[in-house]
Amino acid sequence: DTAVSQTPKYLVTQMGNDKSIKCEQNLGHDTMYWYKQDSKKFLKIMFSYNNKELIINETVPNRFSPKSPDKAHLNLHINSLELGDSAVYFCASSQDLAREAQETQYFGPGTRLLVL
Amino acid sequence: ELKVEQNPLFLSMQEGKNYTIYCNYSTTSDRLYWYRQDPGKSLESLFVLLSNGAVKQEGRLMASLDTKARLSTLHITAAVHDLSATYFCAVDFFTTNKLIFGTGTLLAVQP
Repeated sequence: DTAVSQTPKYLVTQMGNDKSIKCEQNLGHDTMYWYKQDSKKFLKIMFSYNNKELIINETVPNRFSPKSPDKAHLNLHINSLELGDSAVYFCASSQDLAREAQETQYFGPGTRLLVL
Repeated sequence: ELKVEQNPLFLSMQEGKNYTIYCNYSTTSDRLYWYRQDPGKSLESLFVLLSNGAVKQEGRLMASLDTKARLSTLHITAAVHDLSATYFCAVDFFTTNKLIFGTGTLLAVQP
């Protein structure tokens, strides 16, 4: 069973389109994240949700909107796609944000987005 | 500013040799993680280091944490080709509750 899954794996689209990426985790974790990895492999957090509540919202354009229908799912919707949005987007999950937590973050397989 | 720096960025080494990757970070933290990423793949958790002086070993890899020096090391012993990958350290800073990743070290082990 895949712990953290994402769909689609690849996404090729035109500038200006709107697209969504879905993420699901079956680990029973409370917290989920979205990261962006650029062409230089630099990884940066975009958002995190804890029990469906937005916890971290980095300086991401408001064209990016996360949605968490339940704590096992965190989807990412992107409006008006731009060339610079081309990257690999990783979903991740962890047990809790609490200071005492020792759990690492578990990453999904990634979604490779190419905007033409 | 919360920063995590790794060096070297690229490391080419021969099989059987030893080497160390360094991870420096800018401010107080006692939670540091090491991940491995194979080309075109996801990130795989290697180590979680939670206190000053923590040392963890798995196979040919050993990670340590010195919170006073704000430094973690990932030591590779007798490298083999299968260790070729990009290695990331990531720090969970107290004030932010989020992982800040280092730049990654691309390790290429040559036969």
